[in-house]
Amino acid sequence: DTAVSQTPKYLVTQMGNDKSIKCEQNLGHDTMYWYKQDSKKFLKIMFSYNNKELIINETVPNRFSPKSPDKAHLNLHINSLELGDSAVYFCASSHQGAVNYGYTFGSGTRLTVV
Amino acid sequence: GNSVTQMEGPVTLSEEAFLTINCTYTATGYPSLFWYVQYPGEGLQLLLKATKADDKGSNKGFEATYRKETTSFHLEKGSVQVSDSAVYFCALSDSGGGADGLTFGKGTHLIIQP
Repeated sequence: DTAVSQTPKYLVTQMGNDKSIKCEQNLGHDTMYWYKQDSKKFLKIMFSYNNKELIINETVPNRFSPKSPDKAHLNLHINSLELGDSAVYFCASSHQGAVNYGYTFGSGTRLTVV
Repeated sequence: GNSVTQMEGPVTLSEEAFLTINCTYTATGYPSLFWYVQYPGEGLQLLLKATKADDKGSNKGFEATYRKETTSFHLEKGSVQVSDSAVYFCALSDSGGGADGLTFGKGTHLIIQP
């Protein structure tokens, strides 16, 4: 009955590969997000998405692309992985217009590019 | 744009000591304010929140008061325990209801020694 679940928890891959991280929420929220946490623990939003619009942080390389088959899922696809992509990626969800109730985060995916 | 500034650690205290972690913010609108906690190897958990000026959020003995005049949301606890050792993040969300997500501070690593 996990609220926001991500898979895989750990991902080790070689430079140049393409990989995906999956995220699912069962809270009935209409907005989902991807955050990146770097080695210094700094968290930065990458994308937010609801059924109306995709908001992209302009600092995110276009090798990163969110894909949403339905409003309960927001997957993150990464092309041509680079060493600097190594980080922990968190998925989160909220209800737009009710953000005062907070955001719920998944447990994270630790991506290591070798 | 929005930003959050919090004291960077590590902050090391003895058990039962009084804790204060400072947090100040700048925002274009009237934000909601949050404290999240990340225990070692885990995801982000909402600790407490406040949505308007002079609101006090509280949970697990932690408190923070939304001070609009000083744009601050300092986290306090009267008597810390070893189990409080974690990274604490101050964050804000623009209360306009848009899908902008959370803006985080850089996190404060708290270490409680027995």
